Amino acid sequence: DAGVIQSPRHEVTEMGQEVTLRCKPISGHNSLFWYRQTMMRGLELLIYFNNNVPIDDSGMPEDRFSAKMPNASFSTLKIQPSEPRDSAVYFCASDRNTDTQYFGPGTRLTVL
Amino acid sequence: KQEVTQIPAALSVPEGENLVLNCSFTDSAIYNLQWFRQDPGKGLTSLLLIQSSQREQTSGRLNASLDKSSGRSTLYIAASQPGDSATYLCAVRRTGNQFYFGTGTSLTVIP
Repeated sequence: DAGVIQSPRHEVTEMGQEVTLRCKPISGHNSLFWYRQTMMRGLELLIYFNNNVPIDDSGMPEDRFSAKMPNASFSTLKIQPSEPRDSAVYFCASDRNTDTQYFGPGTRLTVL
Repeated sequence: KQEVTQIPAALSVPEGENLVLNCSFTDSAIYNLQWFRQDPGKGLTSLLLIQSSQREQTSGRLNASLDKSSGRSTLYIAASQPGDSATYLCAVRRTGNQFYFGTGTSLTVIP
């Protein structure tokens, strides 16, 4: 299996622009997670989906952040409008029935 | 809220030494605990998963233990190698898929 796939790997944008991050989980996995990692706050869970349904989005920092999972093989995390404080590495992860969680390589986002 | 602490924040050892990394959590009502390693600029790689009913798990030179009642887990690395240099994170999973990560221990193994 190719593992969890994320795109783009790097994104540089200007404040106020819309940013869309993409994730393809491992086939057969029924849970998908979006995380954000910064030096100051470490790794934080933003939202997770189970069977394509958002279960807990309490970690989403603001209304500027939204996530969707239209099908079992694709999810997006959108930031609109982006701000410099959103600069971080965003990870997507997936697992099956609370088993071992597998992470993607991450998207490094820089908002100028 | 679950608090997960990893001590020390950084560790430097000579090659060949055995070492122990520590992870503490405040709420013992966990579903499982997972140890990851993270190389610079990369994602997290799962090392070991311990279910709440288990006491330990082993994989090669790695052994992870779990003591739920005291809120502790340790990761033992035998005969350390320079390739083991990375940041090691523990993550506690509670029911409802709530995940809490520690801040990690940065390990350097000196050849």
